[in-house]
Amino acid sequence: DSGVTQTPKHLITATGQRVTLRCSPRSGDLSVYWYQQSLDQGLQFLIQYYNGEERAKGNILERFSAQQFPDLHSELNLSSLELGDSALYFCASGPDSPLHFGNGTRLTVT
Amino acid sequence: DAKTTQPPSMDCAEGRAANLPCNHSTISGNEYVYWYRQIHSQGPQYIIHGLKNNETNEMASLIITEDRKSSTLILPHATLRDTAVYYCIVRPLGMPGTYKYIFGTGTRLKVLA
Repeated sequence: DSGVTQTPKHLITATGQRVTLRCSPRSGDLSVYWYQQSLDQGLQFLIQYYNGEERAKGNILERFSAQQFPDLHSELNLSSLELGDSALYFCASGPDSPLHFGNGTRLTVT
Repeated sequence: DAKTTQPPSMDCAEGRAANLPCNHSTISGNEYVYWYRQIHSQGPQYIIHGLKNNETNEMASLIITEDRKSSTLILPHATLRDTAVYYCIVRPLGMPGTYKYIFGTGTRLKVLA
């Protein structure tokens, strides 16, 4: 158990809808990272937060947004969903070294 | 960010050592080499990291060449449970929250019975 909690584990929704994925980092960790992994693809870095502040952005679409709250949990919001957004979404937390990953949220857009 | 190059796939017989190479020819002096693995669709798992000295822990050994342009992850006695995608990453250590981990496509290791 990495100590990083992601909810929900599975999410099925229709195109055009909006969903929110949640991540609770390990106790004491200030950094939260979000990654997207499409079928048989590598991990694509989306965005990073540190103590509530956005620190780095990767290949995150404008339809996607995220935030980190004062209690350090983070949410990834995906809107106007398309079929191609179907993927595993991982959250990781750390003091930077090393990162600890959650078990992901599997999003299926139908 | 320094880039890494890994072979897309490798096979290894169960019980034998698995040696996974990684090329990071543009690595900077303050960049560490990290290894993670991802078993099936689980979240990636940290294995080991190092700067320039060889490192060993309960999971694996990391051998970094003297010029630091490449490294090898060694799983001394591979088991079927080691079948996974292995990622080699380089990143600097500095102020917390200032650096990101960029994963490449990794090496898909298949341990054969």
